[in-house]
Amino acid sequence: KQEVTQIPAALSVPEGENLVLNCSFTDSAIYNLQWFRQDPGKGLTSLLLIQSSQREQTSGRLNASLDKSSGRSTLYIAASQPGDSATYLCAVPNNNDMRFGAGTRLTVKP
Amino acid sequence: DAMVIQNPRYQVTQFGKPVTLSCSQTLNHNVMYWYQQKSSQAPKLLFHYYDKDFNNEADTPDNFQSRRPNTSFCFLDIRSPGLGDAAMYLCATSRDLGTGVYEQYFGPGTRLTVT
Repeated sequence: KQEVTQIPAALSVPEGENLVLNCSFTDSAIYNLQWFRQDPGKGLTSLLLIQSSQREQTSGRLNASLDKSSGRSTLYIAASQPGDSATYLCAVPNNNDMRFGAGTRLTVKP
Repeated sequence: DAMVIQNPRYQVTQFGKPVTLSCSQTLNHNVMYWYQQKSSQAPKLLFHYYDKDFNNEADTPDNFQSRRPNTSFCFLDIRSPGLGDAAMYLCATSRDLGTGVYEQYFGPGTRLTVT
């Protein structure tokens, strides 16, 4: 059974810092990995999808990498802003559903 | 814009009073999911529909049921809500391209309060 872990559970940084969020998964036989953002009391917004054949994906200040062999993915956020404050979740397919990590709660202080 | 819509956004129900949450999608995706998310926890899959085929998670209580009358709509029925069922309920969709790659699109969620 696929297990997904995210470290750290919470992170607080000053505005402007670059930061890395970590995601690990136990079964490396994945087709893709997806990163989401969740604001308090809201649904999930998809940020990036990395297919198993890809090493990384970029969208604006976000860069996600995938290392299937080691069961790890990272989400790099450049030049963080207070508006980036949210919970970030990673998820991998497990048969027909997705297994989620518990998320990293990010706070960017002005 | 193509999207996943959930209604209502906030639902208050009484202990034991049946409640139905609604999800609709304009993406024409063949897979629809219902997740339960409690505070500071990962979303937990309750069940999903692959086309018309219903797939129930083994640990989903019988109190939770679902209906998918057509491709666009999916409903979550909670027959007798308990206090422990208070949570955010998330609907999601994805398209199976036969490649094993699933990209999920989520609705804004319905926050359920049980009094």
